[in-house]
Amino acid sequence: SQKIEQNSEALNIQEGKTATLTCNYTNYSPAYLQWYRQDPGRGPVFLLLIRENEKEKRKERLKVTFDTTLKQSLFHITASQPADSATYLCALQAGGFKTIFGAGTRLFVKA
Amino acid sequence: EAEVAQSPRYKITEKSQAVAFWCDPISGHATLYWYRQILGQGPELLVQFQDESVVDDSQLPKDRFSAERLKGVDSTLKIQPAELGDSAMYLCASINKPGDTLEKLFFGSGTQLSVL
Repeated sequence: SQKIEQNSEALNIQEGKTATLTCNYTNYSPAYLQWYRQDPGRGPVFLLLIRENEKEKRKERLKVTFDTTLKQSLFHITASQPADSATYLCALQAGGFKTIFGAGTRLFVKA
Repeated sequence: EAEVAQSPRYKITEKSQAVAFWCDPISGHATLYWYRQILGQGPELLVQFQDESVVDDSQLPKDRFSAERLKGVDSTLKIQPAELGDSAMYLCASINKPGDTLEKLFFGSGTQLSVL
């Protein structure tokens, strides 16, 4: 079956460190993959999109990699801050302009 | 920046009652989605509209859920009758058009439904 898997356990890191979140998928061949941030009780907010022909994409302190052979994306936040604490969702195009989401990984950044 | 509007923000109802949620996408966005998000899980697509037409409702429990977008602008999602398992956040999202070079979804703040 088609699946998107993200670390189900919360990630706790110290302020200033780099947070790395993982997204693995099976039985898809997405043209692109996206990462969203979601705060409690709010809708997801788009962060980054990376296409299948791109290995890496950066935006300020964020970096995303996309390995279509491993069927994996890594999401990095460098110099993390307490304000980065949130749930981060991986999403991919499942065909027919339909976007499907993983369950998300909760990140806690301690001061 | 323009936003997707949703109402109500919160809804508490008893099981077997009818509930309705409203969404107004960003002006000009032709594609509208309704997602359901159960606590601790990712958003699950319920229905996708292109203008006023349903493109995908394969995951919509049609025995109790219905969705419409009569004029291709705002949309309503209805549940009748509500069941305890329907308690979740209902999210509306829109994009400019399929195949947009940047296919990011714009989400509303959602409607948090509690069925008692």
